[in-house]
Amino acid sequence: KAGVTQTPRYLIKTRGQQVTLSCSPISGHRSVSWYQQTPGQGLQFLFEYFSETQRNKGNFPGRFSGRQFSNSRSEMNVSTLELGDSALYLCASQDRVGANVLTFGAGSRLTVL
Amino acid sequence: GQNIDQPTEMTATEGAIVQINCTYQTSGFNGLFWYQQHAGEAPTFLSYNVLDGLEEKGRFSSFLSRSKGYSYLLLKELQMKDSASYLCAVRSSNDYKLSFGAGTTVTVRA
Repeated sequence: KAGVTQTPRYLIKTRGQQVTLSCSPISGHRSVSWYQQTPGQGLQFLFEYFSETQRNKGNFPGRFSGRQFSNSRSEMNVSTLELGDSALYLCASQDRVGANVLTFGAGSRLTVL
Repeated sequence: GQNIDQPTEMTATEGAIVQINCTYQTSGFNGLFWYQQHAGEAPTFLSYNVLDGLEEKGRFSSFLSRSKGYSYLLLKELQMKDSASYLCAVRSSNDYKLSFGAGTTVTVRA
């Protein structure tokens, strides 16, 4: 079974630009969550999608958005990038909400210059 | 919401035992997870506790006390490859959101 796949793995953007990150969950998994990881803040919850619906949202500004497609693949978008958005963005999937295991992808490392 | 505390760093010798403590405060509890994360890699699942007691998985064990808001991860017979960050995470029973501690960096020395 393929794991959680995130693309791109690395990217560099400049302030004011926007970025779209993609996540393909494990086959059969319908729940996808996104996290931001920085050295100072650790892993911070961004949002969770299940069956194309956003179930939960973390405490991030509206510049951060996401969506999920009918095949369970998910994208997140960050508009008007700021230097502080530089981070590792991790996606995780589970077969159902509240499952005992959450499987993470390798992440997309975003650097904002 | 959740408030999760774990030590920032721990150092131990190869072959030794290390215990990583995690304390939490939560308005609703639906399980505690431990993840291992090597530098530059994805977090990988180690254990899940929802009931009080000890769960053993090979060299790794995890303990939970819900009344004390306390968990620990025990790493036995430490190996160099165990050098990593260990993340404690608590899931809320209200919305099933997972909140992570800042992580404990464990360094294993020869």
